[in-house]
Amino acid sequence: DAGITQSPRHKVTETGTPVTLRCHQTENHRYMYWYRQDPGHGLRLIHYSYGVKDTDKGEVSDGYSVSRSKTEDFLLTLESATSSQTSVYFCAISEGDRAYNEQFFGPGTRLTVL
Amino acid sequence: KQEVTQIPAALSVPEGENLVLNCSFTDSAIYNLQWFRQDPGKGLTSLLLIQSSQREQTSGRLNASLDKSSGRSTLYIAASQPGDSATYLCAVRPSSNTGKLIFGQGTTLQVKP
Repeated sequence: DAGITQSPRHKVTETGTPVTLRCHQTENHRYMYWYRQDPGHGLRLIHYSYGVKDTDKGEVSDGYSVSRSKTEDFLLTLESATSSQTSVYFCAISEGDRAYNEQFFGPGTRLTVL
Repeated sequence: KQEVTQIPAALSVPEGENLVLNCSFTDSAIYNLQWFRQDPGKGLTSLLLIQSSQREQTSGRLNASLDKSSGRSTLYIAASQPGDSATYLCAVRPSSNTGKLIFGQGTTLQVKP
């Protein structure tokens, strides 16, 4: 499982509240990613990081921000959650220090915004 | 814009059958392609990574092929078992300087005992 954990695993929150999801990895991989998975849309990239304090946007980044202050942690923040952000969120890493290496995924966080 | 398609969306086969899952992509300029398995309510498990320079990659009962020029990949599963029941996703990586994966919608496989 490439040592990837996500917390929390499930969360229910209300519209307008801030939410932070955490991804933790234990093997010092350089690249980390946040995806969301929705019926009919599949998996889509939200943001990614290519090192400590180095992040960039993916295809569905509106309404989300990220931070990476340590190699092992990549945080995804919904500043003001909306119902359209109800989804399953997956963190992933590229093995080693190359973006094009095999990608491994965490167990996911199921977020419900009421 | 790169698009990845997996047809059929669902497939049901009897145990023991050999089967092929299909993945097609619109832009042949890919760096590599990765196949995943996803069990209900779980994360994605990487099955195979096949480089654009490769034609095939094998792992146990799984064999992935890649025909970049025609924009197709297949995942062959030999002697299917009920434990193979899951959703299978393929994803393409557009270039070597990005980790971004573009996913298909998946094929949900059911193997009946």
